[in-house]
Amino acid sequence: SQKIEQNSEALNIQEGKTATLTCNYTNYSPAYLQWYRQDPGRGPVFLLLIRENEKEKRKERLKVTFDTTLKQSLFHITASQPADSATYLCALRDTGRRALTFGSGTRLQVQP
Amino acid sequence: DAGVIQSPRHEVTEMGQEVTLRCKPISGHNSLFWYRQTMMRGLELLIYFNNNVPIDDSGMPEDRFSAKMPNASFSTLKIQPSEPRDSAVYFCASSFGLISGNTIYFGEGSWLTVV
Repeated sequence: SQKIEQNSEALNIQEGKTATLTCNYTNYSPAYLQWYRQDPGRGPVFLLLIRENEKEKRKERLKVTFDTTLKQSLFHITASQPADSATYLCALRDTGRRALTFGSGTRLQVQP
Repeated sequence: DAGVIQSPRHEVTEMGQEVTLRCKPISGHNSLFWYRQTMMRGLELLIYFNNNVPIDDSGMPEDRFSAKMPNASFSTLKIQPSEPRDSAVYFCASSFGLISGNTIYFGEGSWLTVV
């Protein structure tokens, strides 16, 4: 069966450090992968998209990598700030469907 | 521009009652999605529409759930009769088309509690 796995345990880091979140998937052949941020009580907000032929994508302090051999995406936030504290979700387009399927998300807590 | 607008934001209802959740997608978007989020199951796709036509409703949990999109600017998700296990946050989202890679935009959600 198809699965998208993100670390369910919260990630706690100190301000200024780099946060790295992982998204692993099985039984997908995604053409692209997306990352979203969700704050408590709010809907998810799109951050970045990376395509299968792209190894790395950057946007300001954010960096995403996509390894289709390992079936894994890594999401990095450099110089993290307390305002980066949120839940981060990865999403793939489900094979045979034309909508996004989301992982369960990883909660990031950046300590001042 | 206004984002995806959902109503009500919060609803508490008794088991057995009918619940109707409403969504107005972003103007110009022609794809609309209903998701449900719980702690146990995360964010699950219930149904999505393209050009007001339901494309895939395989995520709808059972016959008690129904969704409609009578026009490009309005959709409803109805639960009848509601049960306590339906308690969740229901998100509506929209995008321009179902082309690979298109971003989808979420509303703020409707928080449903069935007692």
